[in-house]
Amino acid sequence: NAGVTQTPKFQVLKTGQSMTLQCAQDMNHNSMYWYRQDPGMGLRLIYYSASEGTTDKGEVPNGYNVSRLNKREFSLRLESAAPSQTSVYFCASSLTSGGAWETQYFGPGTRLLVL
Amino acid sequence: RKEVEQDPGPFNVPEGATVAFNCTYSNSASQSFFWYRQDCRKEPKLLMSVYSSGNEDGRFTAQLNRASQYISLLIRDSKLSDSATYLCVVSAYSGTYKYIFGTGTRLKVLA
Repeated sequence: NAGVTQTPKFQVLKTGQSMTLQCAQDMNHNSMYWYRQDPGMGLRLIYYSASEGTTDKGEVPNGYNVSRLNKREFSLRLESAAPSQTSVYFCASSLTSGGAWETQYFGPGTRLLVL
Repeated sequence: RKEVEQDPGPFNVPEGATVAFNCTYSNSASQSFFWYRQDCRKEPKLLMSVYSSGNEDGRFTAQLNRASQYISLLIRDSKLSDSATYLCVVSAYSGTYKYIFGTGTRLKVLA
């Protein structure tokens, strides 16, 4: 049981380049999330998908787009990367987003450096 | 003021020691509370949920004080393997339930 998987693990981009971070989960979860983690700051929500076919902005959505491809997959796209997007990106999933005590399960992260 | 605040540490403690971390939150409407553990360069993993009555899991005890808006984590008989960053997470409803993360408290258990 792989849980939540993310690709790539590492990426170096030049300013202005685009890329898509991939995330997949095999737990039959309905809700999926993208976070970024920066030094001195807690994980911050970029976008989330409460269920297949829906996506919503989180706390820091500017410069990103997402696609909920199907129930398993949720991708994050950087259209024109900027150095401020250098970060560690985590994908997470939960059974639903409608319960206060839902546990979120995280993928291993993607380390992105934008030069 | 940050929504969830933690002392970043590091807390350096010898093996076998008892250590406690606190976390304060600003949103009085927060409904659920968690401690996650994050090892260096790894993903966060749920350590325990924090219920109003407090809860214990082996060497770990979590407490919630809604009146003062803080949660705590107590680790007894620290092991080297407890060395990690402990993230305080608060969930509040805003169209859906969303996690708000603290920046984490780093613990180093020394031999």
